[in-house]
Amino acid sequence: NAGVTQTPKFQVLKTGQSMTLQCAQDMNHEYMSWYRQDPGMGLRLIHYSVGAGITDQGEVPNGYNVSRSTTEDFPLRLLSAAPSQTSVYFCASSSAGLGAYEQYFGPGTRLTVT
Amino acid sequence: DAKTTQPPSMDCAEGRAANLPCNHSTISGNEYVYWYRQIHSQGPQYIIHGLKNNETNEMASLIITEDRKSSTLILPHATLRDTAVYYCIVRVAETALIFGKGTTLSVSS
Repeated sequence: NAGVTQTPKFQVLKTGQSMTLQCAQDMNHEYMSWYRQDPGMGLRLIHYSVGAGITDQGEVPNGYNVSRSTTEDFPLRLLSAAPSQTSVYFCASSSAGLGAYEQYFGPGTRLTVT
Repeated sequence: DAKTTQPPSMDCAEGRAANLPCNHSTISGNEYVYWYRQIHSQGPQYIIHGLKNNETNEMASLIITEDRKSSTLILPHATLRDTAVYYCIVRVAETALIFGKGTTLSVSS
């Protein structure tokens, strides 16, 4: 199993540009979520999903959209990039049978907005 | 808010036990305590979780006080590879975690 994969690893955007961060998992996990981590800070929850077709907002959802059309994929869209969205973005997944406690995280996408 | 309080940093000598404290005085009766760690800038890694009883696995032990207002993560024989940020988490948004700032553990030889 590849686990949780994220692409791209690095990205530089100009203010106002849009882009999609990709996240995929091959463990057939029902639950998926997106976090951002600013320098020296803990992770903050952006959006999460409990299954295909179901998403909900986390702590810091503004400026981001998500959709969950398949169990495997959970893309994060930046609508109009701003310098405040410069951060490291982590995707995670977990099994409904295990609950939230054992989440598997991807390697992260490092995004810089100039 | 993260509902947990952890010291920002701790030091430990290699081979010694690392005891990482966490205060969670407002924890609800059905909320679990979770511990994760983050090495360098990698994605966080699950360590252990518990509700009331002490728990042990191959990585660590978790000691939860009887009133559940605090807990301690114990790494019995810390190695240099245990240098990381350790997060104590009690808030859960359905199926996702609410992180705090964690404790930076530095293990030195």
